[in-house]
Amino acid sequence: SQTIHQWPATLVQPVGSPLSLECTVEGTSNPNLYWYRQAAGRGLQLLFYSVGIGQISSEVPQNLSASRPQDRQFILSSKKLLLSDSGFYLCAWKDRGNTEAFFGQGTRLTVV
Amino acid sequence: QQQVKQSPQSLIVQKGGIPIINCAYENTAFDYFPWYQQFPGKGPALLIAIRPDVSEKKEGRFTISFNKSAKQFSLHIMDSQPGDSATYFCAARKRGSTLGRLYFGRGTQLTVWP
Repeated sequence: SQTIHQWPATLVQPVGSPLSLECTVEGTSNPNLYWYRQAAGRGLQLLFYSVGIGQISSEVPQNLSASRPQDRQFILSSKKLLLSDSGFYLCAWKDRGNTEAFFGQGTRLTVV
Repeated sequence: QQQVKQSPQSLIVQKGGIPIINCAYENTAFDYFPWYQQFPGKGPALLIAIRPDVSEKKEGRFTISFNKSAKQFSLHIMDSQPGDSATYFCAARKRGSTLGRLYFGRGTQLTVWP
């Protein structure tokens, strides 16, 4: 069966520090991968998506970047965090031939 | 621009009540409508989904009603329980989308009192 791992679960980082959040999917090949950010009362905002290794598309301009170094690995990064980067970050995946999308458990990022 | 509009923002019901969460959309290219349930500190989990060729779908105590002409769909939770207290998101996806991108509503925080 397929599973998705996202870590860390919580993270407190100072302003100006770098960020690296990792997401891996098991039990599938060549999935679509997504990074979302969730803010209170605003739903889920799609940040990045990837349809293959090295293929990254950004939905909104921001202080963050994403990379997909391996088929089932998706990384969210920042060189210098801002206070406004605080939020709940969610990784998700979907098989090409299926309709359902599945989410990881999320990372609560607090920038102080 | 919010492509899927969800209401209410919050909802409180007594145990056994039937909370109803509503969503509306404008884009007729949408052809897949899932609902996600999210508990605090956790990622959203797929609850139930519907396509516009049916008007209703039931899974256990959860029912989606779909009105294609009105471009609206809703989630009903029968015999609600305190364990149903969570945030619920509706979403929509465009027909033929190879990316599979979902457009989410802003969520409804449901509280079920014992």
